Amino acid sequence: RKEVEQDPGPFNVPEGATVAFNCTYSNSASQSFFWYRQDCRKEPKLLMSVYSSGNEDGRFTAQLNRASQYISLLIRDSKLSDSATYLCAVIGSGNTGKLIFGQGTTLQVKP
Amino acid sequence: SAVISQKPSRDICQRGTSLTIQCQVDSQVTMMFWYRQQPGQSLTLIATANQGSEATYESGFVIDKFPISRPNLTFSTLTVSNMSPEDSSIYLCSVEVYREEPYEQYFGPGTRLTVT
Repeated sequence: RKEVEQDPGPFNVPEGATVAFNCTYSNSASQSFFWYRQDCRKEPKLLMSVYSSGNEDGRFTAQLNRASQYISLLIRDSKLSDSATYLCAVIGSGNTGKLIFGQGTTLQVKP
Repeated sequence: SAVISQKPSRDICQRGTSLTIQCQVDSQVTMMFWYRQQPGQSLTLIATANQGSEATYESGFVIDKFPISRPNLTFSTLTVSNMSPEDSSIYLCSVEVYREEPYEQYFGPGTRLTVT
């Protein structure tokens, strides 16, 4: 079983739709959680850190569920420019800085 | 965040040769990392570049194949040695920025390596 798992998609949604991605992790001692966005042929860019209490940044909401060991990303009012691959990343125990990435979920927003 | 640059941005190399990739940060950082992203895959950590001591390698990666230098807190190099076509990947450095927990990690633009 992979340490961090995501549904690769693709998720094809119309503009204005709400879409949600989940990411599960296997190490219950994991300490930090992140969502990155990666555009084609570019480096991953940090979208959001995921806090225990959940956090929101504009149209984006991230949640952490420690009991079920998953994190989620909700995108409201999807824009064409949201089309990208969304990577979840987890740091395990020990605060080593070692990011373990999921395989990414591809989102395609259509007009 | 931090401004991170990498050189070269891309290269095409012959098998059996070596390539050294440079990573420069605009501020001093404690933690620097090297990742690999193979075609169509996600990112995998190669090693943590430690300043003043040997890099810490992840399972499946060895110093002879991927020697790393970290001479100071703003610079690191990764060498891909004795290359084969399987080494064709994007190689990315990242740095950890301390503002408040969780410490966030930012990536350089990557080096796209093709081995023929």
